[in-house]
Amino acid sequence: AQSVTQLDSQVPVFEEAPVELRCNYSSSVSVYLFWYVQYPNQGLQLLLKYLSGSTLVKGINGFEAEFNKSQTSFHLRKPSVHISDTAEYFCAVTSMDSSYKLIFGSGTRLLVRP
Amino acid sequence: NAGVMQNPRHLVRRRGQEARLRCSPMKGHSHVYWYRQLPEEGLKFMVYLQKENIIDESGMPKERFSAEFPKEGPSILRIQQVVRGDSAAYFCASLLGQNTEAFFGQGTRLTVV
Repeated sequence: AQSVTQLDSQVPVFEEAPVELRCNYSSSVSVYLFWYVQYPNQGLQLLLKYLSGSTLVKGINGFEAEFNKSQTSFHLRKPSVHISDTAEYFCAVTSMDSSYKLIFGSGTRLLVRP
Repeated sequence: NAGVMQNPRHLVRRRGQEARLRCSPMKGHSHVYWYRQLPEEGLKFMVYLQKENIIDESGMPKERFSAEFPKEGPSILRIQQVVRGDSAAYFCASLLGQNTEAFFGQGTRLTVV
């Protein structure tokens, strides 16, 4: 069965500092990976996705992620965060193995301090 | 092109009543996911629907919960005889097809009193 692990429930960081949010997955087949952001009392917005091709994926708002098949990871990074990046971030995976249902990690709360 | 519309945004029901949550997908989208989110938790998969077909309902509770996505009209998540534990935010997402981007609605926040 497929699963997603986000080990960090909360990541505090100062404004303009770099940040990395970790995501690891388990699956026996090829996967498609996503990062979503959720602001308070809102739905989820797609930040970026990996379907195939280059393992370095660039998304919106200056975020990027790198797919590492050997380490089964898809960590999210931003070189310099803003106060407005404070939100909940979810990693998600789908594959043929799970009949293409989208499975989410438990989320990481990014808290950007001035 | 309007986004995914969920209504109502907020729903209050007394224990034992029925809750009906609606999700209108984006134009042209024939696939819908439903998720439940408890406070301070992630999204738990409930059901994956294609028009007139249930693809995967492995996340749906065996009793009281049902979902449909008819040929015409919105997808409906129905919860019968609600209990306090059903209080949560329910999100739907629509997709053009498998392995395409899922677009999420704003959610319905169900409160059972």
